[in-house]
Amino acid sequence: AQKITQTQPGMFVQEKEAVTLDCTYDTSDPSYGLFWYKQPSSGEMIFLIYQGSYDQQNATEGRYSLNFQKARKSANLVISASQLGDSAMYFCAMGTGANSKLTFGKGITLSVRP
Amino acid sequence: EAEVAQSPRYKITEKSQAVAFWCDPISGHATLYWYRQILGQGPELLVQFQDESVVDDSQLPKDRFSAERLKGVDSTLKIQPAELGDSAMYLCASSWGEAKFYSNQPQHFGDGTRLSIL
Repeated sequence: AQKITQTQPGMFVQEKEAVTLDCTYDTSDPSYGLFWYKQPSSGEMIFLIYQGSYDQQNATEGRYSLNFQKARKSANLVISASQLGDSAMYFCAMGTGANSKLTFGKGITLSVRP
Repeated sequence: EAEVAQSPRYKITEKSQAVAFWCDPISGHATLYWYRQILGQGPELLVQFQDESVVDDSQLPKDRFSAERLKGVDSTLKIQPAELGDSAMYLCASSWGEAKFYSNQPQHFGDGTRLSIL
């Protein structure tokens, strides 16, 4: 069975600084993908970045990058140059070869201070 | 505003009543998902459709929940009768590709329906 673990209860970062949000995962399937979503207080889940298990390089999308360490089974999200609008819940999720459904972690609350 | 349309945005109802949610996915997306998100938790899959067929409803409480996607486009999720524990956010998502295979294509979510049972 797949499992996503996000243990940071809440994170605070100063505006314009970088922040790392942790995610560890567990699966026996060699083919899988890791997704990060942002959920503002309005409720919508916004896709941020994707990393495939066979990707050789860490994924990057603008200010978002994924620190993928396959041997450690971790996929941490790095947000550079934090903005006030980055304050939200952040969810790590995984899809595996058997099904397209996603397994989500419990999420991390990020608060950006001005 | 999200490309996946959901309504209503909010729903308050009393226990034992019936409630229904509607979802219209992104045009052309064959796979549709209904997730339930309890406050402070991540979303959990309730049901997954490939076109009009149910692919996975193993976590759907079938004694009170039902879901359909009759023409393989929009979908309805119903609860009858509602219970206090059903209070949650109900999220609909859609994606390209087939439901039975993992894909690198992300799921796109709607704004959700916040359900409160009194």
